[in-house]
Amino acid sequence: KAGVTQTPRYLIKTRGQQVTLSCSPISGHRSVSWYQQTPGQGLQFLFEYFSETQRNKGNFPGRFSGRQFSNSRSEMNVSTLELGDSALYLCASSLSTGGSYNEQFFGPGTRLTVL
Amino acid sequence: DQQVKQNSPSLSVQEGRISILNCDYTNSMFDYFLWYKKYPAEGPTFLISISSIKDKNEDGRFTVFLNKSAKHLSLHIVPSQPGDSAVYFCAARRNTGKLIFGQGTTLQVKP
Repeated sequence: KAGVTQTPRYLIKTRGQQVTLSCSPISGHRSVSWYQQTPGQGLQFLFEYFSETQRNKGNFPGRFSGRQFSNSRSEMNVSTLELGDSALYLCASSLSTGGSYNEQFFGPGTRLTVL
Repeated sequence: DQQVKQNSPSLSVQEGRISILNCDYTNSMFDYFLWYKKYPAEGPTFLISISSIKDKNEDGRFTVFLNKSAKHLSLHIVPSQPGDSAVYFCAARRNTGKLIFGQGTTLQVKP
């Protein structure tokens, strides 16, 4: 079974631009979560989608948005990029959400550099 | 507001010895605690978890201990191996499914 895939793996943008990152979950997984990893901050939760609906949201500005498609694939978008948005963006998928714990499987991440 | 804290950014141990990674949390509503391991250029991989109703969970060389009164959990690796060198993240979950991660501890196991 293929793991979680994220594209692109690396991205360089300039301040003010916008970017779209893509995540394909493990087949059969319906929940997709996004995290931002920066040095010293660990993994910060961005949002979670389940069945095309946003179920949870972290404390990030409205410049960060996401969506999920009917095939469970998810995209996140960051508009008006700032230097501080440079980070590793990780996507994780799981079978479902809430209730009993369902293990989250992470993709390799997209390394975004904002110049 | 950091609800999950790993106060040691790094830890170095000798191969064969015990590695103890610590994690503190503030929210008593967390129902699951997890440890993830991360190698460079890879996503985190799940290592071991513990429910809030237990105080210990063991899986091979890895044991997680939970002290709810102290809001503290720890991961013990015995014996430590060079391949265990990685960044270890502690995470906590409420029943909403959202995971809250600590800042991570970089473990180096020296041969």
